[in-house]
Amino acid sequence: EVQLLGSGGDLVQPGGSLRLSCAASGFTFSSYAMSWVRQAPGKGLEWVSSISAGGDSTHSADSVQGRFTISRDNSKNTLYLQMNSLRAEDTAVYYCAKPNYSNYKNAMDVWGQGTTVTVSS
Amino acid sequence: DIVMTQSPDSLAVSLGERATINCKSSQSVLYSSNSKNYLAWYQQKPGQPPKLLIYWASTRESGVPDRFSGSGSGTDFTLTISSLQAEDVAVYYCQQYYSIPITFGQGTRLEIK
Repeated sequence: EVQLLGSGGDLVQPGGSLRLSCAASGFTFSSYAMSWVRQAPGKGLEWVSSISAGGDSTHSADSVQGRFTISRDNSKNTLYLQMNSLRAEDTAVYYCAKPNYSNYKNAMDVWGQGTTVTVSS
Repeated sequence: DIVMTQSPDSLAVSLGERATINCKSSQSVLYSSNSKNYLAWYQQKPGQPPKLLIYWASTRESGVPDRFSGSGSGTDFTLTISSLQAEDVAVYYCQQYYSIPITFGQGTRLEIK
């Protein structure tokens, strides 16, 4: 079964840091780009960042550029999101997602269950 | 950035009736080299991650009931549920994956009348 298991969400103070992880199973992780998408409480979906299958190319939303870094370890089948200089507006459920074909310019057919990040003092 | 605008924001439809959700992109998401529209539709129920329903604007994802269909091209798209079932109550999102940043519509809440 294809599965994504996100973890690492927590309550953190403004200005703090957090690293999210997403463990993949049931598919050849190293063959697929991966993305993070977030959803603030009661709000819609917002794309955060994407990384190519090999990890050599990344893209991020302007709202997180320079603060968040997406990375992956294909030997561990794991996707990461390093989040620095966190702000209250980063409070959201963070989903990792897999495209239905190899690169990120595709629809997202598998989603993690979500991990919750709360930024508050 | 490509802005995705859905209409209506909310919709109430009787069981067994047709539900139609529209999505308009601020620029074309049709890639001329392969004639594909880089447009997807998702369903999200409370407390769950989004579920892919439709991709390439009109291709139904495996396992999605055939009462769900997608249509449109260029900048104007439609998700149609031909006969609404109780389990279809959810929020629906369109998404363009034509260019970075990937963008979603604001969502349409579908309820039973």
